[in-house]
Amino acid sequence: AQSVAQPEDQVNVAEGNPLTVKCTYSVSGNPYLFWYVQYPNRGLQFLLKYITGDNLVKGSYGFEAEFNKSQTSFHLKKPSALVSDSALYFCAVRDRGKAAGNKLTFGGGTRVLVKP
Amino acid sequence: GAGVSQSPSNKVTEKGKDVELRCDPISGHTALYWYRQSLGQGLEFLIYFQGNSAPDKSGLPSDRFSAERTGGSVSTLTIQRTQQEDSAVYLCASSLDSGMTNEKLFFGSGTQLSVL
Repeated sequence: AQSVAQPEDQVNVAEGNPLTVKCTYSVSGNPYLFWYVQYPNRGLQFLLKYITGDNLVKGSYGFEAEFNKSQTSFHLKKPSALVSDSALYFCAVRDRGKAAGNKLTFGGGTRVLVKP
Repeated sequence: GAGVSQSPSNKVTEKGKDVELRCDPISGHTALYWYRQSLGQGLEFLIYFQGNSAPDKSGLPSDRFSAERTGGSVSTLTIQRTQQEDSAVYLCASSLDSGMTNEKLFFGSGTQLSVL
């Protein structure tokens, strides 16, 4: 079975400071990894994904994430947080070794609050 | 349509009544997911349709929950004999994903279900 853990329910950071949202995963094979964001009163939006190649993935709104196979992690980062980054962030995993029909599993979400 | 459409956007029902939630995915998308999000909580997987394959129903919480996808397009999630713990936002998502690729999900705005 595949699973995702987001160990922090909430992350507080001051505007302009670096932001990190942690994610670890468990799959039987190699993973596809994703980050999604849910802004207040808006639907879930795709941020970025790791498929293969460079372990550092760049996505929307200045976010990036680093795939670390040995630590089975895919932490989301932003060098300088904005107040508008305040939202609920979800990490997700899919086992690339599975045939058609394998679902995308989400973590429990991390609420990010960026204070001015 | 341009995006994933869900209806109704809000549904208030009495305990014990049946409800039907509808999802109209993006045209041409082969994969369709239903997730449930309780207040401030993560995304709970419910069911996954992929092309003509048998759906993955492993996330349905009880036999009161069922879903179908007609003609590979519109999907209906049915909850029979609703209970108060069924109150949540029900999210639908679709993607071009064939199961062997890694396309991102496009989410609808959800149906807020309130069981009184």
